[in-house]
This record gives sequence, structure tokens and C-alpha cells, in this order.
Amino acid sequence: DAKTTQPPSMDCAEGRAANLPCNHSTISGNEYVYWYRQIHSQGPQYIIHGLKNNETNEMASLIITEDRKSSTLILPHATLRDTAVYYCIVANYGGSQGNLIFGKGTKLSVKP
Amino acid sequence: NAGVTQTPKFQVLKTGQSMTLQCAQDMNHEYMSWYRQDPGMGLRLIHYSVGAGITDQGEVPNGYNVSRSTTEDFPLRLLSAAPSQTSVYFCASSGGVHDTFGSGTRLTVV
Repeated sequence: DAKTTQPPSMDCAEGRAANLPCNHSTISGNEYVYWYRQIHSQGPQYIIHGLKNNETNEMASLIITEDRKSSTLILPHATLRDTAVYYCIVANYGGSQGNLIFGKGTKLSVKP
Repeated sequence: NAGVTQTPKFQVLKTGQSMTLQCAQDMNHEYMSWYRQDPGMGLRLIHYSVGAGITDQGEVPNGYNVSRSTTEDFPLRLLSAAPSQTSVYFCASSGGVHDTFGSGTRLTVV
């Protein structure tokens, strides 16, 4: 079973910030929080990851609470092309070692 | 760089037939894995490899075989296709930071 809990769906107005929450209350000390997204039926796309500090890249920002039990992915200015399913995953650093467990994610719909 | 390349993109098989889904990456990544995704579901891990010559089972390995003879290639073999294997299959590779996924193979078993 996935180690994370996400809302099944969210809406966001185009141009607004999209804030996607994720609960991971059983995260262990050496596990990172990863975010991927899947647009339509394409392969998942890496967005961002973090351990305990907030992270930002050209796609998004990741805010992790001090107790590391939850996090929020922020898309600062959502566009229609950001409509996708967003997956929050906790895993050991490095992925692809048999430890990426995908839940059902959050379906984000960006509306004009 | 092409990234992760999966072939074929679409395939229809008859029950009982066998086939190999190809996955190749040109990023010199050590780690590779195969997932399947059924409608409305998240991805489930089938098999993975942490380097050439090393493979291990994931969550749903039954009916599938893998081998890793080179760093670049990680083929997935369906031994005797069943309708329950109708799915979209994704291959991924990682160099130790995050995963890069291929565009998928859509398989229908009739």
C-alpha cells in the first residue's frame, strides 16, 4: 500500500497557485518525499523531491512540515497544461530500486 | 539523449501468445524497473534491476520474466499472455536521484 494520502481531486483556476497536499505520517528518517505527475496517459514525469528542507525548482516548490508528516506541492502559476494526476511518494533516495509505490494520486484540473 | 525508449507503443496479443516488451535507456543509469498501470489506478511495480545481471521481483511479478544483460536494456517478457495482463506498461530508469519514465506500451490481450 502507498505510504501517502492525497485528496482524489482538486480544481484550480488558470494563473492561480495550485497547492497539492500530501500526508505521510509514517515516513522514516531516511526517506525522501518525491512528486511526480502523469499527464493524460503519458509516462510519469519527475517534478521535485526533498528530505526536510523546502525545495524549489523551475517547475514547483515543495514545502515539508517540520515533523515531516505532511508536505505541499505548489505550482505557482498553474496553466491548462498542468492538468494531470499528481503523485506524492516517499522513498529512499535514488528511486528505481523497487521502492517507488504509487497510490492513486490527486487529479488536478486547471480551469480557464 | 533519447532518455528511456519503449517499443512497441501498441500491441495486441492473443491469449497464450508470448512477447517481449523492449526498454532501452541511454543515460548509463544503473537502476531500471517495469510498472503496469490499469485503468484508473496508480502504477504497480513488476520487476526491477539495480545493475546488469541483477534483477528482483516487485509487487506483481507473476506471468512476467526479466533479464538485464547490459546496462542499457531491460526487456520484459510475457510468457503466456492472459487477458488480465491487458494494461499499460511503463519502464523507468534512475541514476540515483529520480526516475525517468518511458512513454509506455499499451498492451491488449484478447
